[in-house]
Amino acid sequence: DTAVSQTPKYLVTQMGNDKSIKCEQNLGHDTMYWYKQDSKKFLKIMFSYNNKELIINETVPNRFSPKSPDKAHLNLHINSLELGDSAVYFCASSQEGAQETQYFGPGTRLLVL
Amino acid sequence: RKEVEQDPGPFNVPEGATVAFNCTYSNSASQSFFWYRQDCRKEPKLLMSVYSSGNEDGRFTAQLNRASQYISLLIRDSKLSDSATYLCGGGSSNTGKLIFGQGTTLQVKP
Repeated sequence: DTAVSQTPKYLVTQMGNDKSIKCEQNLGHDTMYWYKQDSKKFLKIMFSYNNKELIINETVPNRFSPKSPDKAHLNLHINSLELGDSAVYFCASSQEGAQETQYFGPGTRLLVL
Repeated sequence: RKEVEQDPGPFNVPEGATVAFNCTYSNSASQSFFWYRQDCRKEPKLLMSVYSSGNEDGRFTAQLNRASQYISLLIRDSKLSDSATYLCGGGSSNTGKLIFGQGTTLQVKP
């Protein structure tokens, strides 16, 4: 059983396009996250939602818009993609907040050409 | 100064060696600490939560020193399969964030 799943796994697109990444968790967790991992392997928090409510927006450009239709799903929409958006995007979830263990999805590898 | 810092390595060790990684954190409000393992092109997976009393799981031992604000991970009798990047993270309910270090790369050689 997949605990945290993301689609798509790979995404190759042109600059200026708009794309979405979907995330679902079946762990019954209340909190979900989006992280970006760049080529230098730094894993940085982007957003956090608790029970569909935005908790953290970590100075991410407003081209990035997360949406949580319910507490099991957290999607990420990116407008006007730029070369610098190329990275691996990980979704994660935890029972409550950041003081608890987080479980990561398999990642979405985004390449902007 | 980064909030969580690790020596990126790489650490190249022979099979059977004992290797230790340190991680320092600057946010004294951090309450929970973790070691995650990340294999190439995979997601991070929890290796150990780190408790103030220290904890051990087989060949792996984690320690937390709040006074000096560092976390350590000791791997005994290294296996080839231990080759990976080890990420340390500090979480705080105050900030709602789990902040990761850059990761330390371990390469175990035959």
